[in-house]
Amino acid sequence: DTAVSQTPKYLVTQMGNDKSIKCEQNLGHDTMYWYKQDSKKFLKIMFSYNNKELIINETVPNRFSPKSPDKAHLNLHINSLELGDSAVYFCASSQWRGSEQFFGPGTRLTVL
Amino acid sequence: KNEVEQSPQNLTAQEGEFITINCSYSVGISALHWLQQHPGGGIVSLFMLSSGKKKHGRLIATINIQEKHSSLHITASHPRDSAVYICAVRSPMDSNYQLIWGAGTKLIIKP
Repeated sequence: DTAVSQTPKYLVTQMGNDKSIKCEQNLGHDTMYWYKQDSKKFLKIMFSYNNKELIINETVPNRFSPKSPDKAHLNLHINSLELGDSAVYFCASSQWRGSEQFFGPGTRLTVL
Repeated sequence: KNEVEQSPQNLTAQEGEFITINCSYSVGISALHWLQQHPGGGIVSLFMLSSGKKKHGRLIATINIQEKHSSLHITASHPRDSAVYICAVRSPMDSNYQLIWGAGTKLIIKP
């Protein structure tokens, strides 16, 4: 069974579109994260949810919004996509804040 | 703010060699993570440690709190170990337990 899953794996879209990436974990973890990995391979935290509350919100554009319908899901919505949003987005989860993180397979977003 | 530096940035070695990857950080931490990113992109957590040494198979991670330094060792390296190895630290001063990430070390093991 996949511990942390993301869909879709690849997403190609036009500038200005709105898109969503879904993330689900079946580990029973309390905390979930979204990371952006750019072309230089740096991992940057975007959001973190603990018990459905946003606990980290880095200086990301407000076009990005996390949505957590329940503890097992943290979806990422992106409005008005821009070329610079092209990257690989990773979802992760951990049992509690600061504990070992388990990563999803990543979603490669390409904005044309 | 904590700075995390990894060395080397790139490492190419022959199969069977003993590999060492280093991670240094500038301020005190509560935990340090080592992760592996496969060529296909997947990220796997290898170790989380706050003191001493941990071993899993051919992988060994050590940390020296006083020197603010950690090493990841791979014994009897194999081409399947080729990946990017990433170090990340957690500061006890950060109430959000945010991880500070290193830039990664790209390892290539040649058969």
